[in-house]
Amino acid sequence: DSGVTQTPKHLITATGQRVTLRCSPRSGDLSVYWYQQSLDQGLQFLIQYYNGEERAKGNILERFSAQQFPDLHSELNLSSLELGDSALYFCASSVDPGQGSDTQYFGPGTRLTVL
Amino acid sequence: GDSVTQMEGPVTLSEEAFLTINCTYTATGYPSLFWYVQYPGEGLQLLLKATKADDKGSNKGFEATYRKETTSFHLEKGSVQVSDSAVYFCAPRSGNTPLVFGKGTRLSVIA
Repeated sequence: DSGVTQTPKHLITATGQRVTLRCSPRSGDLSVYWYQQSLDQGLQFLIQYYNGEERAKGNILERFSAQQFPDLHSELNLSSLELGDSALYFCASSVDPGQGSDTQYFGPGTRLTVL
Repeated sequence: GDSVTQMEGPVTLSEEAFLTINCTYTATGYPSLFWYVQYPGEGLQLLLKATKADDKGSNKGFEATYRKETTSFHLEKGSVQVSDSAVYFCAPRSGNTPLVFGKGTRLSVIA
C-alpha cells in the first residue's frame, strides 16, 4: 500500500459525458501527478500540482482539467468523453518535486471505460 | 527533454533464470534513474533508484547500476521467481521535470 488513494476504482460511462477522478496523496506529500496508461500510448504524464498550484503540464487534452485543493487532494475532470479516453488513470504523489531524486508513489488507479 | 528506450518484451523465463532488462536514456542534465514495477491489476511501485554515476540501486534481489558513460541503467536479477512476473518500467528524471517512462517490459516467469 503506497498511501495514495484513488476513487473510484472503476468507472463506466458513455461518450460525451463528464467524469471526475479523485486522488488523495500520501500524508505529508505536497505534489500530485496525473498519468494516463493506455495500450497504444503507454504511460503518459498529464499534469502536476504542487501545494495547490499547477507545476507542469504534459500531454493533457483541452477537454481534461485538474485541480489541487487546500487539503491537497486532487481531482481530474474529463469531459466530452470519447472512446479513446478509455484507459487507466494513475495519480502519484511526492514530497519535494524540486529534487531529482524525489520518489513518486503511485495510487492503484482508476479504470475508465467509455462506451 | 529526457527520453528512455527499453528493450521490447515480452520476456519469458523459467524460474531461477538470470534476468536482464536493458534501459538506455537521453537527458540534458544529470538525471536520477528509476525502475518501477507494475504487478497485474495494480499501480506502479518503486523498485529501485540511483541518483549519481556508478550508484547501484537494489531491492528484492534486483539490481541496476547507473552508467553515465553508456547512459544505461540495466535491470538485473540473478534468479527470477514466478512472483516476479510483472511489467517493468525504466524512467529518468532531470531536476524537477516529470518522470519519463519507457514503454515497459512485460516479464513472465514460468515454473
